[in-house]
Amino acid sequence: DAGITQSPRYKITETGRQVTLMCHQTWSHSYMFWYRQDLGHGLRLIYYSAAADITDKGEVPDGYVVSRSKTENFPLTLESATRSQTSVYFCASSESLGGWDFGPGTRLTVT
Amino acid sequence: AQSVTQLDSQVPVFEEAPVELRCNYSSSVSVYLFWYVQYPNQGLQLLLKYLSGSTLVKGINGFEAEFNKSQTSFHLRKPSVHISDTAEYFCAVSLYGGSQGNLIFGKGTKLSVKP
Repeated sequence: DAGITQSPRYKITETGRQVTLMCHQTWSHSYMFWYRQDLGHGLRLIYYSAAADITDKGEVPDGYVVSRSKTENFPLTLESATRSQTSVYFCASSESLGGWDFGPGTRLTVT
Repeated sequence: AQSVTQLDSQVPVFEEAPVELRCNYSSSVSVYLFWYVQYPNQGLQLLLKYLSGSTLVKGINGFEAEFNKSQTSFHLRKPSVHISDTAEYFCAVSLYGGSQGNLIFGKGTKLSVKP
């Protein structure tokens, strides 16, 4: 199916563990983004990528790592998860500046 | 730097009443403007967007928004709401012609439609 998918949809992990959230899009959009959504903060940009092998930091990048070896995939890794990283994570993609498509989200709980 | 302010965190309204959700932005350059809706436990869905042209933009589900450059506002309106409109609404901006291409979101407005 065409679109943008995220996996897993739900994840519980322990403090200190490494976690990778996957994002896959079928449109070959150039731009991809990771946002986190927290009560009282709305959505905040973690990292974004303008093309394969090009990534840059957003508003809240600390504690996260991204890579983009293929246009369609944009994984987000929490190197050593902390409780403050408990959140809902949204991946998005865009080909132009006029439209973004969002994935369904991953709800991550760090215990 | 760009920023977005949604002036109301919560808006309660009765069914069939009109509603306006307010959004103001700050930017030194031209921007694109968006409204997204998020239903409970779901992702974000685009309601409408302003890129250029007419300042009155019509979107899905009977919503519309008006871009006011002098007041740097992009308020969302619906003349008659339904119970099913209960959701959280996010205003967002992006740079016009910018290289980063990322969206800046407001903190959201929770619309609660009561029978």
